[in-house]
Amino acid sequence: EVQLVESGGGLVQPGGSLRLSCAASGFTFGTYSMNWVRQAPGKGLEWVSYIRSDSSTIYYADSVKGRFTISRDNAKNSLYLQMNSLRAEDTAVYYCAREGYDSSGSDYWGQGTLVTVSS
Amino acid sequence: SYELTQPLSVSVVLGQTARITCGGNNVGSKNVYWYQQKPGQAPVLVIYRDSKRPSGIPERFSGSNSGDTATLAISRAQAGDEADYYCQVWGSSSYVFGAGTRVTVL
Repeated sequence: EVQLVESGGGLVQPGGSLRLSCAASGFTFGTYSMNWVRQAPGKGLEWVSYIRSDSSTIYYADSVKGRFTISRDNAKNSLYLQMNSLRAEDTAVYYCAREGYDSSGSDYWGQGTLVTVSS
Repeated sequence: SYELTQPLSVSVVLGQTARITCGGNNVGSKNVYWYQQKPGQAPVLVIYRDSKRPSGIPERFSGSNSGDTATLAISRAQAGDEADYYCQVWGSSSYVFGAGTRVTVL
């Protein structure tokens, strides 16, 4: 069974940092690209970042570029999101999602971890 | 940056067909994905590459994409279809989501 479990969320002050993790199981993690997607309270989905299976290609949303860093450790079946210089508008539930083969979309999602940026 | 436009809400009578549009400049040239999200839950992929259904998604869900509009249709609507629905495409170097459509089954 495919499972994605996010962790690392919590309350952080503006300007602070946080590192999110996503533990994957039930599939060959190292062969799939991955995404981070977030959802502010009561708002819609916002794509955050993408990383190819071998980390050779990485993309970021303009809203997080220069502040967030996506990475992965295929040996540990884990995806990460390092978030620096956090702002109130970064408050959201952060989901990791697996990118299916052959442009088949984000076919599996974790349950999300809540990040709250507030003083 | 690329933008997708969805109606804020769609209502459908139980058993009838709901249609949710997703507008974008020449969106017909892109692969469109549709996600269903129920309150307090993670999104679920219901349509990929315009019209394909992942395993486990009922045949009642169908998609089309042409010109400047992609459409998700939910036939024989059930109470359990009440949810927010989001379309998504890959832009030049980023994914883009529509703002989402709340589907209400009457």
